[in-house]
Amino acid sequence: QVQLQESGPGLVKPSETLSLTCTVSGGSISSYYWNWIRQPPGKGLEWIGNIYYRGNTNYNPSLKSRVTISLDTSKNQFSLKLSSVTAADTAVYYCARGEWHFDLWGRGTLVTVSS
Amino acid sequence: DIQMTQSPSSLSASVGDRVTITCRASQGISTWLAWYQQKPEKAPKALIYAASSVQSGVPSRFSGSGSGTDFTLTISSLQPEDFATYYCQQYNSHPLTFGGGTKVEIK
Repeated sequence: QVQLQESGPGLVKPSETLSLTCTVSGGSISSYYWNWIRQPPGKGLEWIGNIYYRGNTNYNPSLKSRVTISLDTSKNQFSLKLSSVTAADTAVYYCARGEWHFDLWGRGTLVTVSS
Repeated sequence: DIQMTQSPSSLSASVGDRVTITCRASQGISTWLAWYQQKPEKAPKALIYAASSVQSGVPSRFSGSGSGTDFTLTISSLQPEDFATYYCQQYNSHPLTFGGGTKVEIK
């Protein structure tokens, strides 16, 4: 069955760029929308944005100036870049599938912003 | 942005109880609403979409209802594995937004 797996550094310094990758296994990335969602420790869920396999993107306006989501169909992966991070960006970052709601999630990866 | 407000924020219940969680949208969203279950240290799991359609593989004790601004998630007979936090999510418009969560604890 299709599975999602996030990967990337668990620690990022303030003002630097957070970079994460989600690998899609057991199925092709060449359909569906693919999302990034985050959850600060002990808090609720925040949608960051998504990308369609053709490259169309949607971003949360609250993060839009700092976010880039891209896709590599040859590797069956999509990626998140979040620039100029602060401690407020410390969270578990999830990748998930779905255009409007999310039927499949990765396990999540904790990213801590600290010097 | 559409604000999603869940109530209560937490509740205590016993195995076998009927549990109802409410989600209210700050503006009408038709039936563009989903529900998720999240257990500690785990990713959310999809339960309901389109307000009342149950995801494949989800037990029949879970049901959803509502339209417009008011929605409910009902667990007809609470089981031990149902103790978790539940989130609603609107998908009427971007940005997609979630409720603050309802934690269901053991009484």
